[in-house]
Amino acid sequence: DTGVSQDPRHKITKRGQNVTFRCDPISEHNRLYWYRQTLGQGPEFLTYFQNEAQLEKSRLLSDRFSAERPKGSFSTLEIQRTEQGDSAMYLCASAARGTEAFFGQGTRLTVV
Amino acid sequence: AQTVTQSQPEMSVQEAETVTLSCTYDTSESDYYLFWYKQPPSRQMILVIRQEAYKQQNATENRFSVNFQKAAKSFSLKISDSQLGDAAMYFCAYRISNFGNEKLTFGTGTRLTIIP
Repeated sequence: DTGVSQDPRHKITKRGQNVTFRCDPISEHNRLYWYRQTLGQGPEFLTYFQNEAQLEKSRLLSDRFSAERPKGSFSTLEIQRTEQGDSAMYLCASAARGTEAFFGQGTRLTVV
Repeated sequence: AQTVTQSQPEMSVQEAETVTLSCTYDTSESDYYLFWYKQPPSRQMILVIRQEAYKQQNATENRFSVNFQKAAKSFSLKISDSQLGDAAMYFCAYRISNFGNEKLTFGTGTRLTIIP
């Protein structure tokens, strides 16, 4: 499978715990995006990487959130001290320059 | 800031009939792209069709076509000969044309139901 892969697909965690999600983009794509989608809403932009550089972060990305893309390959999104409001689908997308974005299946986070 | 509005939370259509999903957007940019994405239940979002703002001709992809009205900032999706597999959430999305951060701004979506 050469599409965008996200792991895990589902995560249930207790409030206050830390969680980490992984995204493996399409191999030749240098652009990687994280979005958050809550129930009944469209995806909202969180952050953007070009190769290994994180070039933009949304104000939605509080200081409890951190994202990395070491070596410009896979990316991780970590949420520290999770809150119930963090419950959402976290989507990863990748793209080459000037091309459409391809999305992964997402990680659904439930904070209990 | 750019915004995308989808005023139809839900739509339904009989199988084999035609349905139109509405989308309006607001931007001060002159060069941008518009998209329709499909998100089936528990499956990944896939691109249905895309329109470059500088092109006057409306994009078509098989049974899917758009009506792009740049002056009115309107971008509707027409699905002809609806099929059961078309049932999904449909999101209208926008991005500016540059080679930097090509982040997408999405609408709130329209849930399309196909009636057999």
